[in-house]
Amino acid sequence: DVKVTQSSRYLVKRTGEKVFLECVQDMDHENMFWYRQDPGLGLRLIYFSYDVKMKEKGDIPEGYSVSREKKERFSLILESASTNQTSMYLCASRSGMKGYTFGSGTRLTVV
Amino acid sequence: RKEVEQDPGPFNVPEGATVAFNCTYSNSASQSFFWYRQDCRKEPKLLMSVYSSGNEDGRFTAQLNRASQYISLLIRDSKLSDSATYLCVVNPRGARGSTLGRLYFGRGTQLTVWP
Repeated sequence: DVKVTQSSRYLVKRTGEKVFLECVQDMDHENMFWYRQDPGLGLRLIYFSYDVKMKEKGDIPEGYSVSREKKERFSLILESASTNQTSMYLCASRSGMKGYTFGSGTRLTVV
Repeated sequence: RKEVEQDPGPFNVPEGATVAFNCTYSNSASQSFFWYRQDCRKEPKLLMSVYSSGNEDGRFTAQLNRASQYISLLIRDSKLSDSATYLCVVNPRGARGSTLGRLYFGRGTQLTVWP
């Protein structure tokens, strides 16, 4: 089975900190994605990548950046964390026409 | 207009009931379709793909109506363990036929099965 691993299940950060969320997949998938999920708003796409060093903005990229230096790793960066970035962050990967495989999520709290 | 629309529910049904969820999508060139299940505070997990001819997996049946741009999920003989949020997911075709691998998610339909 494809495994998508997110480095932390829970994180608490202070306002203004730079935050790195890491995601690694082990099945050589081309496409990787970062979503956030908030009650009542569903899944919202932040950024995605379809190849190494390639990135595309999703629907809500403001306040975030990403890095994909290796095929298996896709990092989400919060340049200066704010309280409105408190959320569940989900990484996913995909190959071809199959569905996504999600990581188990990182619940980030910014105080 | 949203890419994928779902009735948010909640649906509250007794064990053994049959329940159906519906979903509509806006891009008529959409290529692939899925149902995901998400338990509380967990990540979404693929429940089943949806094929043009309809498909069944045990108690779960998925149907696709391309003409109406409509997808459904039927759960028969509901179990307590079916309680979850069900997400309708669509892979639309973008500019120049590209999809860039992105899927679009409905906001989910919440199901609670009670004893």
